[in-house]
Amino acid sequence: TQLLEQSPQFLSIQEGENLTVYCNSSSVFSSLQWYRQEPGEGPVLLVTVVTGGEVKKLKRLTFQFGDARKDSSLHITAAQPGDTGLYLCAGASGSGYSTLTFGKGTMLLVSP
Amino acid sequence: GAVVSQHPSRVICKSGTSVKIECRSLDFQATTMFWYRQFPKKSLMLMATSNEGSKATYEQGVEKDKFLINHASLTLSTLTVTSAHPEDSSFYICSATRQGWSNGYTFGSGTRLTVV
Repeated sequence: TQLLEQSPQFLSIQEGENLTVYCNSSSVFSSLQWYRQEPGEGPVLLVTVVTGGEVKKLKRLTFQFGDARKDSSLHITAAQPGDTGLYLCAGASGSGYSTLTFGKGTMLLVSP
Repeated sequence: GAVVSQHPSRVICKSGTSVKIECRSLDFQATTMFWYRQFPKKSLMLMATSNEGSKATYEQGVEKDKFLINHASLTLSTLTVTSAHPEDSSFYICSATRQGWSNGYTFGSGTRLTVV
């Protein structure tokens, strides 16, 4: 069974602060995805990383995939209240229709 | 593109009744759909994987006779919660993908089920 350890589980910060969310596993994934979910809604895909060592940037969000494709991180610069939500990492081990293994999620609260 | 519609968004039912939740891929053909259950402020728990035209594969601990999944077409999968009980109250989410997509998991907006 593949497991994804996501940390921290909860993060409460002030607007303007930086933060990093980590996703670690002992298993190798073919790709890893990051989602953001708001209450009462389904997860929305932020990014997919595929290549070991890959770094992707989405405005103030920076995503990194570990060289061994076992871990990933999400860094948010100058967090804003609109960044509040549940952040989920999910790993895929095969082709496009393999099941996703989800981390437990990080609940981020950014206060004005 | 890649839009998944889930209906209803909220449903309240009486204990003992059955509830059907629909998941539709609006602009693509979904060879595989997944059903998840999510508890408040928790991550998604995979319930079953559904391939078009075949029986769903259920995760360990998920009762297949209680959570009936049908994937009769490439654009529609349904989850029926049979003989619902209050402990079945939860947020149910579907996702859909297509064979060959490397990052094509699109999620529905979820269904909040409350059993009273």
